[in-house]
Amino acid sequence: NAGVTQTPKFQVLKTGQSMTLQCAQDMNHNSMYWYRQDPGMGLRLIYYSASEGTTDKGEVPNGYNVSRLNKREFSLRLESAAPSQTSVYFCASTETGLLGEQFFGPGTRLTVL
Amino acid sequence: DQQVKQNSPSLSVQEGRISILNCDYTNSMFDYFLWYKKYPAEGPTFLISISSIKDKNEDGRFTVFLNKSAKHLSLHIVPSQPGDSAVYFCAASPPYGGSQGNLIFGKGTKLSVKP
Repeated sequence: NAGVTQTPKFQVLKTGQSMTLQCAQDMNHNSMYWYRQDPGMGLRLIYYSASEGTTDKGEVPNGYNVSRLNKREFSLRLESAAPSQTSVYFCASTETGLLGEQFFGPGTRLTVL
Repeated sequence: DQQVKQNSPSLSVQEGRISILNCDYTNSMFDYFLWYKKYPAEGPTFLISISSIKDKNEDGRFTVFLNKSAKHLSLHIVPSQPGDSAVYFCAASPPYGGSQGNLIFGKGTKLSVKP
């Protein structure tokens, strides 16, 4: 099992460009999450999907959109990238009953110039 | 306002000694607490957890203590090893509702274990 995979690993964008970060999990988990990690800020929740077909805002959703394409895949889209979105993005998944234990992908390091 | 606080950004410990990482929280309704470990250029990985109905949980070299009256938990690593050098995140889980399964993370403590 690959667990949680994310593509791309690295990306450089210019201000105003758009892109989609991809995430997939092969553990048959219902819930999926997108976080960003900034220096000194810990992990902050952007959006989450409690189950296929549902998405909800987290702590820092502005400037992002998400799609839960199916049970496996949860994508994060930046429509018009801004330098403030320079960060490391992590996708995670979990299953009801795992009592909060989330499984994380390796991250995408995004730089917006 | 931070609901989960790790007030020490970094900690340095000698190999073989005890490492104690601390975490405070503000919401008494949190019902589950977790510690994650993160190496550079990798995603966080689950380390150990504790339910709010317990005050201690042990897994090998790792022990988490929970003091509900003080809203404080700590992670003890004994003995510390150089491979434990990483950033440790404390996280709390809200009890119910649409956010079930969501986690609120602290800012992390970078542990350095020196040989």
